[in-house]
Amino acid sequence: QQKVQQSPESLSVPEGGMASLNCTSSDRNFQYFWWYRQHSGEGPKALMSIFSDGDKKEGRFTAHLNKASLHVSLHIRDSQPSDSALYFCAASANYNQGKLIFGQGTKLSIKP
Amino acid sequence: NSKVIQTPRYLVKGQGQKAKMRCIPEKGHPVVFWYQQNKNNEFKFLINFQNQEVLQQIDMTEKRFSAECPSNSPCSLEIQSSEAGDSALYLCASSLTGGSSYEQYFGPGTRLTVL
Repeated sequence: QQKVQQSPESLSVPEGGMASLNCTSSDRNFQYFWWYRQHSGEGPKALMSIFSDGDKKEGRFTAHLNKASLHVSLHIRDSQPSDSALYFCAASANYNQGKLIFGQGTKLSIKP
Repeated sequence: NSKVIQTPRYLVKGQGQKAKMRCIPEKGHPVVFWYQQNKNNEFKFLINFQNQEVLQQIDMTEKRFSAECPSNSPCSLEIQSSEAGDSALYLCASSLTGGSSYEQYFGPGTRLTVL
């Protein structure tokens, strides 16, 4: 069964600090990785996608993918209270017709 | 800004009752997905459509679940005979294509509570 494992389950970071979230997949067919953020009472919203090995930076967010180890990470620098939310890693394969396999989520709390 | 609209936001049903929820995808998005997010935040893919055609679906839980995306009408997900285990947030998402490299835009969800 296709799986995506996230760690840590929860994370508390001081305002202005760096938050690091991790994700490991079980299926080498996964080629497309996404990070979604979900605030309370809302649906998930895509933060970033990463499809190639290496780093991808968008503003305060940096994603890193290592396909050999099936590992993807998300780093948030200069964390803000508004970054407090659930973060999900999601993966997909070409044959999935877009179906996303989600990790179990990381609850991020930013302490002012 | 266009966005995915889901109605109702909250739905309360007794066991054995029908539960129906609707989704209007983003304008111009022909692909629609339904996911179930349980209280432990675990996501389960249910079904996806391109226009009116089913692309992929799970074994729809003993046939109690059905979904459709008719032309010029909202998409819908219906549970024929609700069970307590169906209590969850049902999320609709839309996308430009069924390809895995395209972003899925999620609605706020319909929270179903089965008493």
